[in-house]
Amino acid sequence: NAGVTQTPKFRILKIGQSMTLQCTQDMNHNYMYWYRQDPGMGLKLIYYSVGAGITDKGEVPNGYNVSRSTTEDFPLRLELAAPSQTSVYFCASRSSGAQPGFDSNQPQHFGDGTRLSIL
Amino acid sequence: AQKVTQAQTEISVVEKEDVTLDCVYETRDTTYYLFWYKQPPSGELVFLIRRNSFDEQNEISGRYSWNFQKSTSSFNFTITASQVVDSAVYFCALSGARGGFKTIFGAGTRLFVKA
Repeated sequence: NAGVTQTPKFRILKIGQSMTLQCTQDMNHNYMYWYRQDPGMGLKLIYYSVGAGITDKGEVPNGYNVSRSTTEDFPLRLELAAPSQTSVYFCASRSSGAQPGFDSNQPQHFGDGTRLSIL
Repeated sequence: AQKVTQAQTEISVVEKEDVTLDCVYETRDTTYYLFWYKQPPSGELVFLIRRNSFDEQNEISGRYSWNFQKSTSSFNFTITASQVVDSAVYFCALSGARGGFKTIFGAGTRLFVKA
């Protein structure tokens, strides 16, 4: 059981380049999240999804885009990389719980992170 | 608006000391969930505990215990007889129904346990 898998683990980009951070989970979770963690700081929510085809903005969405075409995959796109986007990016997923129609907000499962540097 | 405050940026203790990490939260939701996560030096995030707003019972798991007090909007975490392996950053997090259960994380408390 792989859980949440993020690729790549490390990446260096030049200013203005674009890239996609991949995230896939094999737990059939409806909820998926992207966070960024700046040095010495907590996690800031970038985007999240409550199911395939549904995405919404978090606290810091500017400069990013997401899509959710399948339950398993939730890629994060940086279109024009800027030095301010240098960070560690975490993808997470969670279940809504066993009871149909009731979200019991189960704990999030995190990927190992992607360390991204923009130079 | 929802907010999580972890006022202690860094704490340093000597092994076998007890240590309490503070977490104060703000929310207007009546239904919400509180979490603690651990981030060891290797960088991954590890879930420790989840508590819903209707359950104020304290919880103990081995050397870890949590004190949830709605009256003071606090969800504090105590490690008894700390060990070097407890050295990590600990995050408190809040998720409320009104925000679609988006999770807001505190800034974290970095714990150093010295041998």
